[in-house]
Amino acid sequence: DTEVTQTPKHLVMGMTNKKSLKCEQHMGHRAMYWYKQKAKKPPELMFVYSYEKLSINESVPSRFSPECPNSSLLNLHLHALQPEDSALYLCASSQGPSGSSYEQYFGPGTRLTVT
Amino acid sequence: AQSVTQLGSHVSVSEGALVLLRCNYSSSVPPYLFWYVQYPNQGLQLLLKYTTGATLVKGINGFEAEFKKSETSFHLTKPSAHMSDAAEYFCAVMGGGNKLTFGTGTQLKVEL
Repeated sequence: DTEVTQTPKHLVMGMTNKKSLKCEQHMGHRAMYWYKQKAKKPPELMFVYSYEKLSINESVPSRFSPECPNSSLLNLHLHALQPEDSALYLCASSQGPSGSSYEQYFGPGTRLTVT
Repeated sequence: AQSVTQLGSHVSVSEGALVLLRCNYSSSVPPYLFWYVQYPNQGLQLLLKYTTGATLVKGINGFEAEFKKSETSFHLTKPSAHMSDAAEYFCAVMGGGNKLTFGTGTQLKVEL
């Protein structure tokens, strides 16, 4: 099973709200990723967790806070977002750490709208 | 440093015609190369990858790509386009860095 699941599928939130995005994989992968994708653009890397530890933070604003409770789960906590944060948020996982030859498997994404 | 250039942000082909999507890369070390497809409002799906070994790589849905080191290219082809192939295609490289670098994408349109 090469499936990465993400919830919710759609999320609308105000600028003062706090919400969380969830991602889950049961492939035994040891690296998990958060990407942000704007319309008609490629995904932009936000965070990488390798062996449940944050290994890459691409200078993401602190209003985005990642969390990896265990090797199968990845969360992205959102607080005080701006309208320009509206995008498709993609989670991915790979068998080995970022930088290796292992391919990344992507979830279907959460479509986030900030009002 | 690593980078990817996808020539042609939009490609249009007739159903049954050859599909050719171009990808050139830059890498300071032997690269790992990937092609992903994204259908509207969905995540990315891996089509194929090149790591080492055979330079002609076969993927899902009849797609294949050839790694040409001398040309620093990894073009994606399919002999006969189908309407269901209409989507956004991303070439990506892992080469010398610790993250996947994507090209800007090519929107493939298939016409009857």
